[in-house]
Amino acid sequence: QVQLVQSGAEVKKPGASVKVSCKASGYTFTSYGISWVRQAPGQGLEWMGWISAYNGNTNYAQKLQGRVTMTTDTSTSTAYMELRSLRSDDTAVYYCARDGSSDPGGMDVWGQGTTVTVSS
Amino acid sequence: AIRMTQSPSSFSASTGDRVTITCRASQGISSYLAWYQQKPGKAPKLLIYAASTLQSGVPSRFSGSGSGTDFTLTISCLQSEDFATYYCQQYYSYPPAFGQGTKVEIK
Repeated sequence: QVQLVQSGAEVKKPGASVKVSCKASGYTFTSYGISWVRQAPGQGLEWMGWISAYNGNTNYAQKLQGRVTMTTDTSTSTAYMELRSLRSDDTAVYYCARDGSSDPGGMDVWGQGTTVTVSS
Repeated sequence: AIRMTQSPSSFSASTGDRVTITCRASQGISSYLAWYQQKPGKAPKLLIYAASTLQSGVPSRFSGSGSGTDFTLTISCLQSEDFATYYCQQYYSYPPAFGQGTKVEIK
């Protein structure tokens, strides 16, 4: 079946970096894009960015520009999201989701979420 | 950036009720709108895309309508498994923005 499986929970100190993986299966990875969405405790959904698994094109949320990098490894059908210079307000559950191939659209398949805790 | 505003933020309803959630965009987004359902501790689930197209496997009691700036999600006969938080999302232009969410609670 179509699924996205994310890496496990992370605890990081302020200023550190985190890299979350998202392994796709059950579909042709390069025919879609991957969006990353995060949700701080008790808060709503925040779109972080999108990457085309076909050609690696990216588009990031302006507030994260310079701190976030999204990549894909087509040999393993895995997407990655790296967030640097972590702050306490980056504490959130991070989701990957299957999205449009050339631009974001409706996200129809979601990973299970990865909890990232930033604490000294 | 386009802002999405949902109303109400929360409300209580009973099983069997017909409920409507509204979503307003700060500028026109044609029909580039999706609706998601999220239950506590779970990932969001796509219900509707292109404003009114039901995602495969989603019960027909869910429906969406609207275009331009005003949209609605309707649940025709609320079931126990529908108590959750609902989000709209525009994907007309970057950044794709979510509404703040509408929590549907049991009366």
